[in-house]
Amino acid sequence: GQQVMQIPQYQHVQEGEDFTTYCNSSTTLSNIQWYKQRPGGHPVFLIQLVKSGEVKKQKRLTFQFGEAKKNSSLHITATQTTDVGTYFCAFNAGNMLTFGGGTRLMVKP
Amino acid sequence: DVKVTQSSRYLVKRTGEKVFLECVQDMDHENMFWYRQDPGLGLRLIYFSYDVKMKEKGDIPEGYSVSREKKERFSLILESASTNQTSMYLCASSLAGVLNEQFFGPGTRLTVL
Repeated sequence: GQQVMQIPQYQHVQEGEDFTTYCNSSTTLSNIQWYKQRPGGHPVFLIQLVKSGEVKKQKRLTFQFGEAKKNSSLHITATQTTDVGTYFCAFNAGNMLTFGGGTRLMVKP
Repeated sequence: DVKVTQSSRYLVKRTGEKVFLECVQDMDHENMFWYRQDPGLGLRLIYFSYDVKMKEKGDIPEGYSVSREKKERFSLILESASTNQTSMYLCASSLAGVLNEQFFGPGTRLTVL
């Protein structure tokens, strides 16, 4: 079935540096959702992208959906220690959500 | 505020035991899901339900069954627990249809000895 590859698996950054995680598919996706899971916590919905080329912003977070709807990215500007966690992309295949493997972000103060 | 609760945060069981994991949501959501989360493997869907008494297999249903007798409650059953079912189990719910966000419970960390 359809899958998404998420890279990198891990990323260490110094506080204040930028961070980007990528989600790639070999097939066209209907949508992309992004979730954040804090250490010891559960995934929490951040945003959904549906349209080709769509860009959405939430404060320091910028989400993009590729023109071909086969890839997506999440960019964090000037990371803070509160950004620590694992970021997952996911897409709908029917009623089901299929998740990428996640990118674990660690921020050094 | 949507609330999804799970019966236990931590559970320790022995091999061969029957295990019940309960999930309750209070937002009248039609869809409910059970995932397991393992390091390096992300979240994998075990089963989901889109209505009372309805269920669909996810990616890894082997060794599991589910029950949805009431709209707000979705149970995951391990008929005979095995050590390879040691994992974090996450329940989620969403409104009917696709393209809806999922709301997750806090998770149950199950250890099978």
